[in-house]
Order: sequence, then structure tokens, then C-alpha cells
Amino acid sequence: DADVTQTPRNRITKTGKRIMLECSQTKGHDRMYWYRQDPGLGLRLIYYSFDVKDINKGEISDGYSVSRQAQAKFSLSLESAIPNQTALYFCATSDPSTSGETQYFGPGTRLLVL
Amino acid sequence: GENVEQHPSTLSVQEGDSAVIKCTYSDSASNYFPWYKQELGKRPQLIIDIRSNVGEKKDQRIAVTLNKTAKHFSLHITETQPEDSAVYFCAASITGGFKTIFGAGTRLFVKA
Repeated sequence: DADVTQTPRNRITKTGKRIMLECSQTKGHDRMYWYRQDPGLGLRLIYYSFDVKDINKGEISDGYSVSRQAQAKFSLSLESAIPNQTALYFCATSDPSTSGETQYFGPGTRLLVL
Repeated sequence: GENVEQHPSTLSVQEGDSAVIKCTYSDSASNYFPWYKQELGKRPQLIIDIRSNVGEKKDQRIAVTLNKTAKHFSLHITETQPEDSAVYFCAASITGGFKTIFGAGTRLFVKA
């Protein structure tokens, strides 16, 4: 089945370290997103990309950067991790031409910054 | 900016009872309203959605209602079962647009 996958699934890092979270999809969708989930705050958009040449900031992009290496791959980087970035991170895809605005989420990456 | 408020944050019901979760959105241009269910340790998944050209949509035990004038929409679950226990997120977006705004989530507990 076509899917969205994320690596790693869990990560512990220290303050000041650079870390990359990776997302791959076999759905053939052009649109990809990165969200973070915090208790009581729902899902907040960090970055989104409509195709390989398109990168856009979401509502909470400070401290993060992204790379769209191919249609199927979208990576999120924390240049210098801080404890406030401890959260559950989800990658998602969508394709308005085939499945409307439905977001298909990956399994999530749980990040702990010490 | 755009905002979606969701209430309650926690809801506990007895098995067989109904559950209602309510959301309010701020952007009057929003015309697509999905609901996602996130089971413990799992990813959010779409369970039902509604577009602004209809007022109600049903799918077996779940239904959504939309009041565009008041900018309210609600999720109704009837005959709740333990497997309905999860976090539910409402969201609002614009067809073809780039951004989906999520509510903060409602943790539903269904007691057997």
C-alpha cells in the first residue's frame, strides 16, 4: 500500500545539536507538510512544499529548515536544537487532484531535546 | 490570524451514549472542514469531512454539522464504543489552498 514513512521514529538529542528528521512517501503526492504536535496545542504547521522547487514557511518555522530532495522526500532540520522543540513531529502529504484536501500523515517522530 | 477553537478538551462518556465535539473557525473563506481521529500512539487519520455547500453529513455512527453563518461545526458520535476512545481534531481549510488549521484536539474516553 502507498504510504508515508518517517525516520527516525524516536530520537533523543542534546541542546545545540543539529538533527534531521526524514519523510518519504510512495503516494505520488506533490504536496508535503511538516507539523509538530504538542499537548493541548493540536497540530501546528512548520513548513510546506507544493513541489520540489516550492518551499513555504508555516506558522512556526523559526528554528527549523527543510529540504525537498525529490517529489517523494521532504526533510526537516533543527539547526541547533533547544528543549522547547521537544515534541511529536508529523510529516503529511496531500493531492488535491486525486484526494482533495485530505492530509495523509506519517507515523510520527518523537523528539526529546535535553 | 486564522484560528480554530475546539471544545471540550476532554470528554468522558459511557459506552452507548452520544458524544459531541464542537469547533469554531475564524476565517470566513474556509469551505472545507475535516475531522481526524488519532488513536493512542498512532497517526491522525481522516474519519469524515464536510464542505460548505452542505449542512450535514452522516457516515454510520458519525455525523458532522456545519453552520456557516455562525462559523460553527460539530462532530456527533452515536452509540459510542470503547474503540471510539481517541483524540479527535477538527480542522478548517480552503479548497485548493495550502493551509489546514487544526483545533487543539479533544480526548474522548468511552467507558465500558
